Amino acid sequence: GDSVTQMEGPVTLSEEAFLTINCTYTATGYPSLFWYVQYPGEGLQLLLKATKADDKGSNKGFEATYRKETTSFHLEKGSVQVSDSAVYFCALSDPTGYSTLTFGKGTMLLVSP
Amino acid sequence: NAGVTQTPKFRVLKTGQSMTLLCAQDMNHEYMYWYRQDPGMGLRLIHYSVGEGTTAKGEVPDGYNVSRLKKQNFLLGLESAAPSQTSVYFCASRSRTADQPQHFGDGTRLSIL
Repeated sequence: GDSVTQMEGPVTLSEEAFLTINCTYTATGYPSLFWYVQYPGEGLQLLLKATKADDKGSNKGFEATYRKETTSFHLEKGSVQVSDSAVYFCALSDPTGYSTLTFGKGTMLLVSP
Repeated sequence: NAGVTQTPKFRVLKTGQSMTLLCAQDMNHEYMYWYRQDPGMGLRLIHYSVGEGTTAKGEVPDGYNVSRLKKQNFLLGLESAAPSQTSVYFCASRSRTADQPQHFGDGTRLSIL
């Protein structure tokens, strides 16, 4: 079945540091890929998405590129802020059915001033 | 601008009690989903619905039932609660238009004693 593997956290960074959170996937067909963010006590919010190979999703300074050859969708940000502290989830969407999402286990990011 | 609303936000039950979690969305979305979130496990799909009157099983359906009598509402029922069902439950909805993201509620924190 489909699966998503994320790097384990927590990832601890200082403000203005460069962020990478690795995500790789296993899927049949050509899934859409997503990054969701969860702030404490809240639900998940869509951060960015990519629907086909070589697409780059971007939002709020975060970027991720859909790499079919390496089955990866790594999340990057050039300069993190304290307000970016949250849990980040990589997910893929089944393209053949009803777009059920398969999530990675999540990576907690902690940014200190 | 409500989006997806879950009630209640918190609940404590005793083993064997029953309860229903309500999810309501005001975006006229066709698809709705119930997930549970457990530490170190990410989100796992319990049940989903692709339209009024239809439901389907997800990854972890045992011990839960669902109903979608109205397009805007998706109910999750626990007939006889067990401590293993202690979790945070999230509802999500999305349009059936291709490549659209899921929109999440803020979650229901459920404890079974």
